[in-house]
Order: sequence, then C-alpha cells, then structure tokens
Amino acid sequence: DAGITQSPRYKITETGRQVTLMCHQTWSHSYMFWYRQDLGHGLRLIYYSAAADITDKGEVPDGYVVSRSKTENFPLTLESATRSQTSVYFCASRATGTALNQPQHFGDGTRLSIL
Amino acid sequence: GQSLEQPSEVTAVEGAIVQINCTYQTSGFYGLSWYQQHDGGAPTFLSYNALDGLEETGRFSSFLSRSDSYGYLLLQELQMKDSASYFCAVGHQAGTALIFGKGTTLSVSS
Repeated sequence: DAGITQSPRYKITETGRQVTLMCHQTWSHSYMFWYRQDLGHGLRLIYYSAAADITDKGEVPDGYVVSRSKTENFPLTLESATRSQTSVYFCASRATGTALNQPQHFGDGTRLSIL
Repeated sequence: GQSLEQPSEVTAVEGAIVQINCTYQTSGFYGLSWYQQHDGGAPTFLSYNALDGLEETGRFSSFLSRSDSYGYLLLQELQMKDSASYFCAVGHQAGTALIFGKGTTLSVSS
C-alpha cells in the first residue's frame, strides 16, 4: 500500500549508542521531515529535505544526522544517543511546491527510549 | 524565528461548539495550518488558511486574521471522537516546512 512508514515502531537503547530511525514513503513526495514530540513541547522540527541530497536544519538539529540519497527514504541517525533524546519521532512528507496548502502526511511514529 | 501560542487544554460537552485560538509570530507568513492528533498517533491535516477569513470544512472551520497574527479552529456539533490534540502551524524557511504550536488537548464529555 502507498503511504509513509517508519521503523522500528519502538526502540530501547543505551546512552552513547548509535541509533538510526528509518522513514520510507511511496508517493515520490519531494519534501520529507523529521519531528520529535515531547510532553509540553508539541512537535518540533529536527531536519527536513526538499529533494534527494538536499537537507536543512530545523528547530532542534543538534545531536542528529540525516541523509537523503533516494527520494523515498529519509533516515534519522542519533550518533551518540543521550537520555534527552528519549522521545516520539515522527517522519512526514509533502508533495512538491512551496504552498503549504499541500498537507504534510505523517508516519505512525517511533517511540525511542534511551536508558 | 517563529513562535505560536495556543491554550493547553479545552473541555466541552457533546453537541457544543468550541473555539481553539492560535496567535503567532513569524518573520515571513506562508499561511496557518491546523492538524489533529488522536492519542499520540499520526497527526492529520485539517485545514489551511492563506488569506483572511473563514474556511469551512464540514463541522470544522478555520479563521485567519493576518493583521492580528491570529487564527482559530472552530469545531461544531462536538462528538466524543473529536477528543484529541489540535495543533496550529506556520511555515518555516520560506514555507518549506511547518513549525507547530505546543498543541491544545480537547476533551469532549457526554
């Protein structure tokens, strides 16, 4: 089925470990986004990408790395995980164009716990 | 940068009307969007306003006043299933990405 999928859905790891969260979309959307959601903070933009090989920092990029070698994939890597990165991570995509009346479609999220 | 303010919680009863306000500060304006999220699931798009005025989509309406940097989401004929979190959002970096408010939790009781 077409859509946007995130994996894993749940992940527990330890501080200092490297963790990669995967995001895959089948719509060929140009834009992809990573958000984190924490109680009291809503959804905060980590990184986004306008096309393959083009990425930009969002509101809270520190401690995260992204890549976009293929249009359909946008992995997010925590190079050395810290407890403050325990959160729910949402990936989203949007069709081409700068008009924001194109809705962002979100994945179901990855619940990440760092012990 | 951008910032958005919305109430953290709103309560209402079935059949009522509720308004969720959103004020924003942004260096460039590319429209105001609203998203709904149930129980920590995937947020879903509700509406978008680029111009002043009211946009109606079924029981939901969204209003924008650019001169006041203010908008609201109006939910009519409330149902239990409307219990959710509602987020307003504005464009970031020439409208490429969305920046979200902290969300308003709506609780609908019978």
